[in-house]
Amino acid sequence: EAGVAQSPRYKIIEKRQSVAFWCNPISGHATLYWYQQILGQGPKLLIQFQNNGVVDDSQLPKDRFSAERLKGVDSTLKIQPAKLEDSAVYLCASSLGSAWTLHFGNGTRLTVT
Amino acid sequence: SQQGEEDPQALSIQEGENATMNCSYKTSINNLQWYRQNSGRGLVHLILIRSNEREKHSGRLRVTLDTSKKSSSLLITASRAADTASYFCATVLQGGSEKLVFGKGTKLTVNP
Repeated sequence: EAGVAQSPRYKIIEKRQSVAFWCNPISGHATLYWYQQILGQGPKLLIQFQNNGVVDDSQLPKDRFSAERLKGVDSTLKIQPAKLEDSAVYLCASSLGSAWTLHFGNGTRLTVT
Repeated sequence: SQQGEEDPQALSIQEGENATMNCSYKTSINNLQWYRQNSGRGLVHLILIRSNEREKHSGRLRVTLDTSKKSSSLLITASRAADTASYFCATVLQGGSEKLVFGKGTKLTVNP
């Protein structure tokens, strides 16, 4: 089975610029997650989708972050405008359902200068 | 906010030795999961233990869960250099959106 695909792998931008990340989950997985992982810390959930509906976005900084899940499959996460503290790895994961085991992509490493 | 707290933060052992990592959490859970993350990669699921289970095995991995103490441990037996990675516990909280909340992880180094 193909894994979770993410792109780009790396991105360097200046503060106040915008950036977008893309995720293609495992086929058939209803639940999709975006996590932010700052260096040396565990992943922090930003947003959780069930099909194309949002289940939890309580930790998403909605003034600058947005996410959508197109037709319940692919997803994009956008940051506009970026701040220095947004430098992190952004991990996408998918699962068959909530509370099941997660399958992660390799992430996008974002550096904001 | 972080639910799980792994201990120790870092662990360095020799190949062939056993490695034990602990996880403590704060609120009631449905299940607890352990994940491994190699440097520069995504997380890989290792094992899931439900709240009504006390112990689970998978190959060289042994996980225990003590819900009265709100703690879990991951034991890796006969460690190998390839086990070098960060290990995270993650809990699914009872009620709410069933989201998975990760701890800060234990960085394990296995020296050849």
